[in-house]
Amino acid sequence: ETGVTQSPTHLIKTRGQQVTLRCSSQSGHNTVSWYQQALGQGPQFIFQYYREEENGRGNFPPRFSGLQFPNYSSELNVNALELDDSALYLCASSPTSNTEAFFGQGTRLTVV
Amino acid sequence: GQQVMQIPQYQHVQEGEDFTTYCNSSTTLSNIQWYKQRPGGHPVFLIQLVKSGEVKKQKRLTFQFGEAKKNSSLHITATQTTDVGTYFCAGRYGQNFVFGPGTRLSVLP
Repeated sequence: ETGVTQSPTHLIKTRGQQVTLRCSSQSGHNTVSWYQQALGQGPQFIFQYYREEENGRGNFPPRFSGLQFPNYSSELNVNALELDDSALYLCASSPTSNTEAFFGQGTRLTVV
Repeated sequence: GQQVMQIPQYQHVQEGEDFTTYCNSSTTLSNIQWYKQRPGGHPVFLIQLVKSGEVKKQKRLTFQFGEAKKNSSLHITATQTTDVGTYFCAGRYGQNFVFGPGTRLSVLP
């Protein structure tokens, strides 16, 4: 176990809806990253938060947004869901921004 | 944009055979990480390479980082059925990590 927990584990949403995914980082980790992993592909970097500030962003539209809280837990929000948003969403926490990442089990999002 | 390629996409080996996956970047990397993901699981960190030409070993696994810091390889000696999974490299560009598409390894007993 990595100590990184994500909720919910599975979720079904309708196109156009909004969704919030949650991540609890491993104790002592101040950096959290979010990834989108489509079936059969590698994880795609969405963004990273370091001490509550966005510290890097991948090639995702603004309807993907996030938050990191003082206890270093994090949220990923996706507005105006599209069918292509269906994927496994992974959260990973790190002691710093340049060290190994500990991944959670992920949230499987299905958009119908 | 930054791209990380991996070959082969799939590899089927007989238990006891060796396995190698290669990772190539279009631009120079700050560092590179390797992860293993079992079917239905999440990526698990294996190693991070930082220095040009670096070689690291973990039991049967050998990791190399190229001199130009644009390529890397993972070699597994004498594969076991527990090695089954997808192996990803992730190259660091600034604050971003870009994952390759992965090499899926299956090991026949």
